[in-house]
Amino acid sequence: GQSLEQPSEVTAVEGAIVQINCTYQTSGFYGLSWYQQHDGGAPTFLSYNALDGLEETGRFSSFLSRSKGYSYLLLKELQMKDSASYFCAVRALRGYYGNNRLAFGKGNQVVVIP
Amino acid sequence: NAGVTQTPKFRVLKTGQSMTLLCAQDMNHEYMYWYRQDPGMGLRLIHYSVGEGTTAKGEVPDGYNVSRLKKQNFLLGLESAAPSQTSVYFCASNPSTDESAAQYFGPGTRLLVL
Repeated sequence: GQSLEQPSEVTAVEGAIVQINCTYQTSGFYGLSWYQQHDGGAPTFLSYNALDGLEETGRFSSFLSRSKGYSYLLLKELQMKDSASYFCAVRALRGYYGNNRLAFGKGNQVVVIP
Repeated sequence: NAGVTQTPKFRVLKTGQSMTLLCAQDMNHEYMYWYRQDPGMGLRLIHYSVGEGTTAKGEVPDGYNVSRLKKQNFLLGLESAAPSQTSVYFCASNPSTDESAAQYFGPGTRLLVL
């Protein structure tokens, strides 16, 4: 099975940089995704890492170390609209019914203040 | 393109009542999922489907049933609702060839069981 750990809440000012960490343990690993969810809204996909290293998408970057079971999401030039919960999700071992099952962490709340 | 839609948006049930939640997607995706989200628990997979006519159990399937009679629709049924099923339910979908594992979520159904 899988277990994922994420710290609970971070507060930062506009323009700052925030790093959100995720550690995981799984019997099979194909990749790790990050999702953003605003209060009362649906989760939306941000990034995906299958290999070690850094992936950059605009103001957001995601890093993966498979040997350490560790990932982080970096939010740069914070904006008020970045106030949301951020979830990491591990893509589970390929099974009989396909390889797109995700196990989600509990999420990390980011609060951006002026 | 409406993406993923869910019906109803909100429902109140009494213990023992039954209901069906409907998820529809117009993106021709093969895979569909039902999750529940409780405070501090992240998203947990209830059931999923890898194609029309197929369903499989996820992490927390007890008390729920599903059907995928048409590719675009995925139904989640509660035969005898319990207060423990009070939650926000999200449906998601993705194409089978999506190696990035990006799942597209509906807006959610908020269910209160009294």
